[in-house]
Amino acid sequence: GENVEQHPSTLSVQEGDSAVIKCTYSDSASNYFPWYKQELGKRPQLIIDIRSNVGEKKDQRIAVTLNKTAKHFSLHITETQPEDSAVYFCAASIGTGRRALTFGSGTRLQVQP
Amino acid sequence: DTAVSQTPKYLVTQMGNDKSIKCEQNLGHDTMYWYKQDSKKFLKIMFSYNNKELIINETVPNRFSPKSPDKAHLNLHINSLELGDSAVYFCASSQEGQMQFFGPGTRLTVL
Repeated sequence: GENVEQHPSTLSVQEGDSAVIKCTYSDSASNYFPWYKQELGKRPQLIIDIRSNVGEKKDQRIAVTLNKTAKHFSLHITETQPEDSAVYFCAASIGTGRRALTFGSGTRLQVQP
Repeated sequence: DTAVSQTPKYLVTQMGNDKSIKCEQNLGHDTMYWYKQDSKKFLKIMFSYNNKELIINETVPNRFSPKSPDKAHLNLHINSLELGDSAVYFCASSQEGQMQFFGPGTRLTVL
């Protein structure tokens, strides 16, 4: 089955700096890669996703890049703000049919004011 | 008008008891899921289900069983609860191949 590895496990940045979280996946059939943000005590919330037919997607301060050949994808947050502090999860799935997500182990991002 | 809802939010029970967690989605999605998040925050799929197919993660003990009375509901029934079942359980739903939306979670504590 699919295996997703995520790094780093913790990341501390100064407000205004950029943050990058990286994930690798094992199943070359995976074609859907969402990123979720989970605040303490809350549900995971989708912040951005990418499909394998594109290499990059951007939404305001958040961007995701995908390298299908190397089987890795990354989340980039620019101009970080204290409210970006949370745990971020990458995930992968074969995005058709009834496929569940395989999650990475999470990255705890702390943005220092 | 919450998209994916779960009840109860908190569940505290004794070892050996049987309990159920309910999940409802009003998004018209065709697939629902149960995920378990342990104390280290690892999120792991337990089941994915629609009216045609149940996919079970092979690591899930058979004390756990999903029950779906209709397309909008997927309940999780747990028999003979054990200490190691303590976790947060998230329900989610999606329309085939599209993004998954999560419920608020149920924090289960087994004493």
